[in-house]
Amino acid sequence: QQQVKQSPQSLIVQKGGIPIINCAYENTAFDYFPWYQQFPGKGPALLIAIRPDVSEKKEGRFTISFNKSAKQFSLHIMDSQPGDSATYFCAARKPARQLTFGSGTQLTVLP
Amino acid sequence: EPEVTQTPSHQVTQMGQEVILRCVPISNHLYFYWYRQILGQKVEFLVSFYNNEISEKSEIFDDQFSVERPDGSNFTLKIRSTKLEDSAMYFCASRSGTSGSDQYFGPGTRLLVL
Repeated sequence: QQQVKQSPQSLIVQKGGIPIINCAYENTAFDYFPWYQQFPGKGPALLIAIRPDVSEKKEGRFTISFNKSAKQFSLHIMDSQPGDSATYFCAARKPARQLTFGSGTQLTVLP
Repeated sequence: EPEVTQTPSHQVTQMGQEVILRCVPISNHLYFYWYRQILGQKVEFLVSFYNNEISEKSEIFDDQFSVERPDGSNFTLKIRSTKLEDSAMYFCASRSGTSGSDQYFGPGTRLLVL
């Protein structure tokens, strides 16, 4: 019940494409769902986060779609660039608790 | 922009030795965390710390691990007797006390146990 399942494991898109990364959870006590971007040898950097009272949130080229009934959420990257090539982690958190991370998606954006 | 800082960036130690990893959380934050990431794997929770005490810990955080906030700015993770399997990236994170607040990670310490 604590798991967050993330797919795909890896993703390759052309520059300008829209990669979509999906996550699913079981525990309905989760109330905060962030996405982190991680470059090799660096710490996870917070990209965008959503709470379950909204179905979509957009910040720049990054959009989270949230489906509360299906217990799924996804990250869309508009107009992807080679500099977006990184590992992306979804996560979930119960109130005042630690983050539970997905397994990560390695994104490669080809020039 | 405020950020979480960690030292050292790299640490190499012999099995059985003690290591202390240091973190300076963002200054007005109240919740502090340690996570680790074994190479190529996902980020795993170790321990959370609030109001000068451990609020939660995972199964990984056994008696060989301890945390401390020795002063108003530093937050440390000590591994008493390192094992080969402790080799990983260790990340400190912090967040403010407000409900639903975002959690920010430091750059990590790469620990290699030989």
